[in-house]
Amino acid sequence: ETGVTQSPTHLIKTRGQQVTLRCSSQSGHNTVSWYQQALGQGPQFIFQYYREEENGRGNFPPRFSGLQFPNYSSELNVNALELDDSALYLCASSFKLAGATGELFFGEGSRLTVL
Amino acid sequence: GQQVMQIPQYQHVQEGEDFTTYCNSSTTLSNIQWYKQRPGGHPVFLIQLVKSGEVKKQKRLTFQFGEAKKNSSLHITATQTTDVGTYFCAVWGGATNKLIFGTGTLLAVQP
Repeated sequence: ETGVTQSPTHLIKTRGQQVTLRCSSQSGHNTVSWYQQALGQGPQFIFQYYREEENGRGNFPPRFSGLQFPNYSSELNVNALELDDSALYLCASSFKLAGATGELFFGEGSRLTVL
Repeated sequence: GQQVMQIPQYQHVQEGEDFTTYCNSSTTLSNIQWYKQRPGGHPVFLIQLVKSGEVKKQKRLTFQFGEAKKNSSLHITATQTTDVGTYFCAVWGGATNKLIFGTGTLLAVQP
């Protein structure tokens, strides 16, 4: 196992609600990236956090936001949920900044269903 | 933006047969990574290739980076049921600090 833990593992929300997903990075890692994986698709980059600041963002609207804490754990917040937000949300930690050829260590993911 | 295409999307083999998935980019890549995702699981890093023409082996898995660094392949010899899953190639997106995943190849192995 990677040592990256995510919670909750599964959750169901209704359209318009807000959700917070949590991630604890692997020990020694200082960078956290979040990915959205729709069924049958590859993971899509949402954003990355390094030193508690957003350090790169994919093509996701502002209602997707995040935080990184001093212990390098992270949260992903999604406001005004839409049906298309239903997906597996993956957290990945790494030691170096993304782009520096490092591998990513993924957690088990949080599966969000929006009704 | 940068995209990587994988073929085939899906492959069904009999146990013991070989399997290959290909990853193609329109631009020159600095490096490429491969991940495996078991059904219901999360992506797990397999390997990273950096050099032009590089070939790396992990037991029955052979990874290759093209001479022009625009394509890569993963070959599995004598597949086993434990090889079932989706295989993704992935490349770094440079300034955006994102890892861009290919479309993936789903491998099904019939015992």
